[in-house]
Amino acid sequence: GAGVSQSPSNKVTEKGKDVELRCDPISGHTALYWYRQSLGQGLEFLIYFQGNSAPDKSGLPSDRFSAERTGGSVSTLTIQRTQQEDSAVYLCASSPGTESEAFFGQGTRLTVV
Amino acid sequence: RKEVEQDPGPFNVPEGATVAFNCTYSNSASQSFFWYRQDCRKEPKLLMSVYSSGNEDGRFTAQLNRASQYISLLIRDSKLSDSATYLCVVKPWQNFVFGPGTRLSVLP
Repeated sequence: GAGVSQSPSNKVTEKGKDVELRCDPISGHTALYWYRQSLGQGLEFLIYFQGNSAPDKSGLPSDRFSAERTGGSVSTLTIQRTQQEDSAVYLCASSPGTESEAFFGQGTRLTVV
Repeated sequence: RKEVEQDPGPFNVPEGATVAFNCTYSNSASQSFFWYRQDCRKEPKLLMSVYSSGNEDGRFTAQLNRASQYISLLIRDSKLSDSATYLCVVKPWQNFVFGPGTRLSVLP
């Protein structure tokens, strides 16, 4: 399909391991966002990419979190030395323009055991 | 104060009822406004954008009051399928700021 694609859909990892979450935005969308949602909670902004500009990393909760976007398309969110409090659904969204809505992927459900 | 605040909910209403959701935002520079719905264990999906003059889409009406920094959503003749969490979303600059959401359950 032509929507935002995230992988994996589910990930169980042991505490202390590193994980990588992938997002394929809608083709042509210049803006890409990462959010996370803990159980029963609202969406928490993590990081935002717009074209070739420097990303807005103001929402990253610690230096264990990082993200990159290669070639203005695919993005990878990396969490190092995972902790149990990192367990959440990680949602990626893309948007075509400054006044347009965001389109979300189905998310990656991360469980740290 | 949170950037976007919504009625805490949940709202439990019978089928056919009219239900109103309220939202306030703190950043007066906000330019774009949206209502999203999120079904249980699913991603948020756009319900409707909110325009300054107010807008309607079938049973759904959205209003914006920039002076009061207030947004509303009205659902008329509610259906069982309207049961979801409704998220108020504000875009001050480039980022989307989500409210905590208000859960709606439409009961038969």
